[in-house]
Amino acid sequence: EAGVTQFPSHSVIEKGQTVTLRCDPISGHDNLYWYRRVMGKEIKFLLHFVKESKQDESGMPNNRFLAERTGGTYSTLKVQPAELEDSGVYFCASSQWVGGTEAFFGQGTRLTVV
Amino acid sequence: ELKVEQNPLFLSMQEGKNYTIYCNYSTTSDRLYWYRQDPGKSLESLFVLLSNGAVKQEGRLMASLDTKARLSTLHITAAVHDLSATYFCAVDIISGGSNYKLTFGKGTLLTVNP
Repeated sequence: EAGVTQFPSHSVIEKGQTVTLRCDPISGHDNLYWYRRVMGKEIKFLLHFVKESKQDESGMPNNRFLAERTGGTYSTLKVQPAELEDSGVYFCASSQWVGGTEAFFGQGTRLTVV
Repeated sequence: ELKVEQNPLFLSMQEGKNYTIYCNYSTTSDRLYWYRQDPGKSLESLFVLLSNGAVKQEGRLMASLDTKARLSTLHITAAVHDLSATYFCAVDIISGGSNYKLTFGKGTLLTVNP
């Protein structure tokens, strides 16, 4: 069974540009989560989807970040326009049932804004 | 606000030695997790601890949980080079039966030297 996969694995963009990160969860997992680790800091929660609905987006830093999960399958996280402080590693995780099982993480997308 | 503190943040060990990583958290939580991350790889779940006094062991790693002290430990016995990685602890609170929103520590970078 394929795990959580994220694309791209690494992205370098200039300040002001737009970047879209993609996450493919494990098949059948209704719950999808985005996390981010900025250099030297903790991994922080960004948001949680249940199928295509946003359950909790309390961790989204500002309105330059837009997450979608059309059809309840894969998810995208768009940053527009990117700023230097957006650099970090973006992790996606998925789980089957909320509260009952643990989540599985992808390998992360390392975003560098220059 | 839930806070998770790990120490040490950096740990350099000799093969064959024992050591402990500590994880303190600030408020009551439902579950405590230990993850391992190798460079460029996903977070791999090591242990999930649910109740006070829980102890789990896998190979040279043993995790324990003291909910009264809000403390978890990850003990490494007779370290080997293959254990070199970053170790994260994380806690979550299930609210309304519908969340998997982890709060992470900063991680402990473990290097095991020959």
